[in-house]
Amino acid sequence: ELVLTQSPGILSLSPGERATLSCRASQSVDRSYLAWYQHKPGQAPRLLIYGVSSRAAGIPDRFSGSGSGTEFTLTISRMDPEDFAVYYCHHSGGAFTFGPGTKVDIK
Amino acid sequence: QVQLVPSGTEVKKPGASVKVSCKASGYTFSTYDVNWVRHVPGHGLEWMGWMNPSSNKIVYDQKFEGRVTMTWDTSMSTAYLELSSLTSGDAAMFYCARGRRTRSSYFMDVWGNGTTVIVSS
Repeated sequence: ELVLTQSPGILSLSPGERATLSCRASQSVDRSYLAWYQHKPGQAPRLLIYGVSSRAAGIPDRFSGSGSGTEFTLTISRMDPEDFAVYYCHHSGGAFTFGPGTKVDIK
Repeated sequence: QVQLVPSGTEVKKPGASVKVSCKASGYTFSTYDVNWVRHVPGHGLEWMGWMNPSSNKIVYDQKFEGRVTMTWDTSMSTAYLELSSLTSGDAAMFYCARGRRTRSSYFMDVWGNGTTVIVSS
């Protein structure tokens, strides 16, 4: 069974700071099926990144993804006030599963 | 524009079943998957399963197997999720999301706003 682990659980940042979020898979996964979603209270989740590093339509270029094998990273180059949210990695190759999420809140 | 419109809030008693719907518009319903994702307040997102109206394929997450049924009505461009034997732990927001396959990736690119399910005696 594939398990995704995200760290840190909570990340406290100020606007303008860089965010680095980690997603670790319990086994090597096909990077094609690794995506990142943003979820804000009262809203539907939003696709940010798919295929590890491809930005979804309309996503600002301050969001970027990287990684391979078992280690993946979502980077937000400069936090904008609208970026404070919970971020989930998700794998959809074979077994679909979400990581537990990283909450990015305002310091 | 492409959108998924969920059904309204449901209030159910423990032990009952709930059936929620998700109506698609702006695209050809049968050519994309529909995924269902649960969000229990204070917890993370849980993928429940996906269905594809074109291939008639349905895949459920093991956690929900035996308690969940996903169906659809292509003529209405609507997907349905039924969850049985509800407990208080099932109180959640249920999201539908369009699953898009490319030659080399898969992702959920369009999401409905979610249906709230309340479980209370």
